[in-house]
Amino acid sequence: EVQLLESGGGLVQPGGSLRLSCEASGFTFSRFDMSWVRQAPGKGPEWVSVISGGRGTTYYADSVKGRFTISRDNSRDTLSLQMSSLTVEDTAVYYCAKALGNNWRYSFDQWGQGTLVTVSS
Amino acid sequence: ETVMTQSPATLSVSPGERATLSCRASQSISSNLAWYQQQPGQAPRLLIYDASTRATGIPARFSGSGSGTEFTLTISSLQSEDFAIYYCQQYNDWPPMYTFGQGTKLEIK
Repeated sequence: EVQLLESGGGLVQPGGSLRLSCEASGFTFSRFDMSWVRQAPGKGPEWVSVISGGRGTTYYADSVKGRFTISRDNSRDTLSLQMSSLTVEDTAVYYCAKALGNNWRYSFDQWGQGTLVTVSS
Repeated sequence: ETVMTQSPATLSVSPGERATLSCRASQSISSNLAWYQQQPGQAPRLLIYDASTRATGIPARFSGSGSGTEFTLTISSLQSEDFAIYYCQQYNDWPPMYTFGQGTKLEIK
């Protein structure tokens, strides 16, 4: 059974930083591209970033480019998201998600339970 | 960036009846479209990918159709567990930019 378990969320002040982690199990982690998707309260999902399984090629949404960094440790089956210069607009539940598809054309077939990030003074 | 627009925002349907949800892309996305179901307090669940392929374990009452800019999710004979919010997502853009619609809330009539 595929499991994705996020951690690291919490309350942070505007301008602060936070690091999220996602522990994966039940599949060969290194073979799959992975993403972070967030969902602000009462809103639809918003894709944040994607990283390839092997080379670690990354892409970001414009809203987080230059502030967030996605990474992975295939030896530990772990996905990470380093977030800096946080603003109130970054308040959301952050999900890690496993990509389904080829050549960067992905839907997301497995999701974690999410971790809440609240940016507030 | 491709913008996804879903309609209606809320759909009221009786159990056992058929529901039809729409999703429109601001430009052609071929068949690079997925549908998700989200229950309160839960993560989205993949229902349909490539516009019409059911994901693993998804009941046959869920079907997807369309290509280009117009897409439909049909749920035949609604069950109580089907009342939820549904989102479409495109994955055609390059560089990769995955965008979701704003959702359709399917509620009990």
